Amino acid sequence: DAKTTQPPSMDCAEGRAANLPCNHSTISGNEYVYWYRQIHSQGPQYIIHGLKNNETNEMASLIITEDRKSSTLILPHATLRDTAVYYCIVKPYNTDKLIFGTGTRLQVFP
Amino acid sequence: EPEVTQTPSHQVTQMGQEVILRCVPISNHLYFYWYRQILGQKVEFLVSFYNNEISEKSEIFDDQFSVERPDGSNFTLKIRSTKLEDSAMYFCASRAGAGGQETQYFGPGTRLLVL
Repeated sequence: DAKTTQPPSMDCAEGRAANLPCNHSTISGNEYVYWYRQIHSQGPQYIIHGLKNNETNEMASLIITEDRKSSTLILPHATLRDTAVYYCIVKPYNTDKLIFGTGTRLQVFP
Repeated sequence: EPEVTQTPSHQVTQMGQEVILRCVPISNHLYFYWYRQILGQKVEFLVSFYNNEISEKSEIFDDQFSVERPDGSNFTLKIRSTKLEDSAMYFCASRAGAGGQETQYFGPGTRLLVL
């Protein structure tokens, strides 16, 4: 089962930052946090991942708390095309499978 | 930018028929995966494949399912005798390798409908 907890849905105004939280209180020291998103029924799209340091790429920023029990995905300037289901996934080091939960459905409105 | 491709995009079949779903992983990737998503449900892991062997599989991946890398570019999922409950989106994914934390990249999926 998924080791993460995410709110089922969130709204965000276009052009504003979208901050998507994720709780992973049982995360182990060698487990990474991955974020993917799924637009409609398309294939999951990789966004970003991290271990303990904050990460940033061209799509988003990932903020991981110091105790690693939660993280926040930040889309700095949300657009309508960012409307999707966002999945926070903790992948154990000793398995190669991604376990998807139900994610957060982000609705970006004009 | 390299991407995973899948064919066909849609497949309709009769119950009991065999289907083969095809995937072309990203070039030079070494690890390959199939996932599926029944309409309205979560994305579920089916199988992982490395070095011409299944490395991990889920309970869903029973004897009706098989995977193969028939040549240097394709990766296939075969369902021998389809059931109604096999209707789903099937996603292929691949990753480069060299370390357990490398990112999996997904294809656009094949929508399978079993009638």
